[in-house]
Amino acid sequence: AQSVSQHNHHVILSEAASLELGCNYSYGGTVNLFWYVQYPGQHLQLLLKYFSGDPLVKGIKGFEAEFIKSKFSFNLRKPSVQWSDTAEYFCAVTFGSSNTGKLIFGQGTTLQVKP
Amino acid sequence: GAGVSQSPRYKVAKRGQDVALRCDPISGHVSLFWYQQALGQGPEFLTYFQNEAQLDKSGLPSDRFFAERPEGSVSTLKIQRTQQEDSAVYLCASSPKLLAGGYNEQFFGPGTRLTVL
Repeated sequence: AQSVSQHNHHVILSEAASLELGCNYSYGGTVNLFWYVQYPGQHLQLLLKYFSGDPLVKGIKGFEAEFIKSKFSFNLRKPSVQWSDTAEYFCAVTFGSSNTGKLIFGQGTTLQVKP
Repeated sequence: GAGVSQSPRYKVAKRGQDVALRCDPISGHVSLFWYQQALGQGPEFLTYFQNEAQLDKSGLPSDRFFAERPEGSVSTLKIQRTQQEDSAVYLCASSPKLLAGGYNEQFFGPGTRLTVL
């Protein structure tokens, strides 16, 4: 079955630390890749997306992600986190076999940044 | 407003009651999705509409779940005879016309938190 897995369920960092959140998917065909963020009390917002082209994509608020096709991975990175990055982060994928664009989500990673 | 809205934001139901959850998508968005998010989990796909047509309902967990979008705008997710396992946040998302290759960005609403006692 097509699935998405996020390896880190709960991450605690101090401000200015670097961040990398792992995401892997189980499908060898065409995929579209996304990272969504949910700040406390807010709705899901798109951080960044990859459809094609340069595998290193940059999103809002200094986040970036790298698509490595050979590893079926799309890890999220940020060189220096801020307290305001405290949130839940979801990796999501649409698989090329889908003609609806439905998203398959990972289980999420809770990031807590200590001031 | 400019975003996706959902109502009610919170719903408490007694087991066995029927509930109806409403989604107002962004004006002009062709595609509408419903997702279910259990506590501590990522959202899971329930159903998809393109305009008024329900093209995919493969994620609906049982025949107690029913969704409609009769005029291609507002959508309602109905759950009949609610059970405790239905407790979750129900998210609605809309997107513009599907692009070739299968995707366009989805914009999410705030969700309805359903608690079944």
